[in-house]
Amino acid sequence: AQKVTQAQTEISVVEKEDVTLDCVYETRDTTYYLFWYKQPPSGELVFLIRRNSFDEQNEISGRYSWNFQKSTSSFNFTITASQVVDSAVYFCALSALRVAGNTGKLIFGQGTTLQVKP
Amino acid sequence: AAGVIQSPRHLIKEKRETATLKCYPIPRHDTVYWYQQGPGQDPQFLISFYEKMQSDKGSIPDRFSAQQFSDYHSELNMSSLELGDSALYFCASSPLTGDEQYFGPGTRLTVT
Repeated sequence: AQKVTQAQTEISVVEKEDVTLDCVYETRDTTYYLFWYKQPPSGELVFLIRRNSFDEQNEISGRYSWNFQKSTSSFNFTITASQVVDSAVYFCALSALRVAGNTGKLIFGQGTTLQVKP
Repeated sequence: AAGVIQSPRHLIKEKRETATLKCYPIPRHDTVYWYQQGPGQDPQFLISFYEKMQSDKGSIPDRFSAQQFSDYHSELNMSSLELGDSALYFCASSPLTGDEQYFGPGTRLTVT
């Protein structure tokens, strides 16, 4: 079975601090995708990143960076120099590749609410 | 670029009424997924369609039904609404050649 765990329910930081959101997953699939989505108060789901299971190279995009470690089944997300606009709920998600009968449905973690205070 | 369209964006219904949510996928996307997100919860997979056929089913109540039409749009029909059905309903579409899901803005259903 697939499962995603985000142990941090809420995180509060002061603007300009760095913050890391943890994500641990479980899957029996040998190939899979991991995702991060941002959900601001307006409610839409904003895609941030997708990572293939066979690509463990870390990625940086502006103030965002992602650390994928297959050995520990973790896919952590770091925001550098946080800003008030980063305040949102962040979801980590997992899906199998759409092969061999897998439909690619997303399994989400419980979400981490990030509050960035000015 | 065209995005996933969901209608209506907001819907208020009373208990025991029926609701129909519509989803228009991105052109040339042949797969549609439906998710339900309750207050303070993570999105939960309900059902998916590929080429107008149901491809997967999650924890979707028997009161709910869905289908994908010949133009690839999809409708989620919800009958005998309960207070617990109040949620944000997302539709996502995906092309056959890709695994990325593109989410619509969601329909916020309130059952009173």
